[in-house]
Amino acid sequence: DAGVIQSPRHEVTEMGQEVTLRCKPISGHNSLFWYRQTMMRGLELLIYFNNNVPIDDSGMPEDRFSAKMPNASFSTLKIQPSEPRDSAVYFCASTQRPGTGELFFGEGSRLTVL
Amino acid sequence: DAKTTQPNSMESNEEEPVHLPCNHSTISGTDYIHWYRQLPSQGPEYVIHGLTSNVNNRMASLAIAEDRKSSTLILHRATLRDAAVYYCILGQAGTALIFGKGTTLSVSS
Repeated sequence: DAGVIQSPRHEVTEMGQEVTLRCKPISGHNSLFWYRQTMMRGLELLIYFNNNVPIDDSGMPEDRFSAKMPNASFSTLKIQPSEPRDSAVYFCASTQRPGTGELFFGEGSRLTVL
Repeated sequence: DAKTTQPNSMESNEEEPVHLPCNHSTISGTDYIHWYRQLPSQGPEYVIHGLTSNVNNRMASLAIAEDRKSSTLILHRATLRDAAVYYCILGQAGTALIFGKGTTLSVSS
């Protein structure tokens, strides 16, 4: 299996622009997570999907952030409008057994908002 | 959420064993103990996890105290490639893993 696939790997955009990050989880994994990592705040959980349904979105910073999982093989994290403080590395992860099994991370999408 | 406490940093020499401690005094009976590590400029990667018994795999060993209030990740022979941030995390079935600050391990040659 190719692992968790994220795109784009790098994105540079200007404040106010819409940003869409994409994730393809490992086939057969029913749980998907979006995390954000910055030097200041470390690795933060943004949202957790199980069987394509959002289970916990308490970590989503504000209304500018939205995440969807239209099917078992694809998820998006959208920021609109983007702000410089959204600059971070965004990781997607998936697993068959949330909380009790191995969590597989993608390589991350590094976002820079100017 | 049950919390873990880890030292901010540790140092080791190459080819020596490393024992990374983690305290989780408020652990519940259904909490699994997970260890992940994050190499520079990479995403976190799974190291090992367990519930009650000690666990071994090709990367490391996990020693869990009898009362489960602490655990130790053991790297048997550190290499330069093991320099990373190591996270000890408690997880319950059906929940997301919440990462703390972890322990930054430095390895010297």
